Amino acid sequence: GESVGLHLPTLSVQEGDNSIINCAYSNSASDYFIWYKQESGKGPQFIIDIRSNMDKRQGQRVTVLLNKTVKHLSLQIAATQPGDSAVYFCAESKNTGFQKLVFGTGTRLLVSP
Amino acid sequence: DSGVTQTPKHLITATGQRVTLRCSPRSGDLSVYWYQQSLDQGLQFLIQYYNGEERAKGNILERFSAQQFPDLHSELNLSSLELGDSALYFCASSPRWVIATGANVLTFGAGSRLTVL
Repeated sequence: GESVGLHLPTLSVQEGDNSIINCAYSNSASDYFIWYKQESGKGPQFIIDIRSNMDKRQGQRVTVLLNKTVKHLSLQIAATQPGDSAVYFCAESKNTGFQKLVFGTGTRLLVSP
Repeated sequence: DSGVTQTPKHLITATGQRVTLRCSPRSGDLSVYWYQQSLDQGLQFLIQYYNGEERAKGNILERFSAQQFPDLHSELNLSSLELGDSALYFCASSPRWVIATGANVLTFGAGSRLTVL
C-alpha cells in the first residue's frame, strides 16, 4: 500500500542521528495537534500529541515542539533507527463541536543503516 | 493490528461502476471516520459517524455516501466511479466524537486500495 506514492519532501538521515521533521499548520484557532507515522502498506499510527497550552511534550525517543507564534510544529526523533523510516504527518484540530483532523501533506523519513 | 478492520484490502474496478468499502471499528469505539488518500492530495477527511448518526462532513463527493449500522460497522459507497477516485480509503475510529484528549485519538485501519481502470 503506497501512501508513499505521494510526492513528498524527504529527510534522509543515518541510523543513530537525531531527526527533526517540521510542519506548518494553517489554522491559528487550532488547539490540538497530533503526529502520525505511516509505514508502507499500513494506516497512519499515532505517535504523540500536544495541546495548544503547551510548547513541548516528550515521549519515548520523540519530542514535539509547538510554536504558536509562527504556527509551526516539529517532531524530533532521537537516535533514529531504520524502523523509523516512514511518512510522518502532522494533523491539527480545533477542539470545539464536531471534530475532524486536518492533515498536513507529510514528510518521508529515510533512515540508512 | 490496530483493531480497525477494513475490507477489501484491494479492489480493481472499471469507470462507472459502484463499490462498497467496509469498516469495523475498534471494540468499544463509537465514532467512525472515513479518509481518502490520493497521490496529489494527501489525507482528506470525507465523513464522520457517531453511534449511527452523521456528525461531520468533509470533502465528500455527492457520488459517495456512507452509513454506520447499529453494530457500529460502517460502509462507504462509491458510485459512478471515475479514474480520479483511485486512492487509498482509510477508516478510523475513536471512542467519542470530540477529540478532547489523546485517549480519544483516531485509530486507523490498514486501508482499502481502490483502482479504477
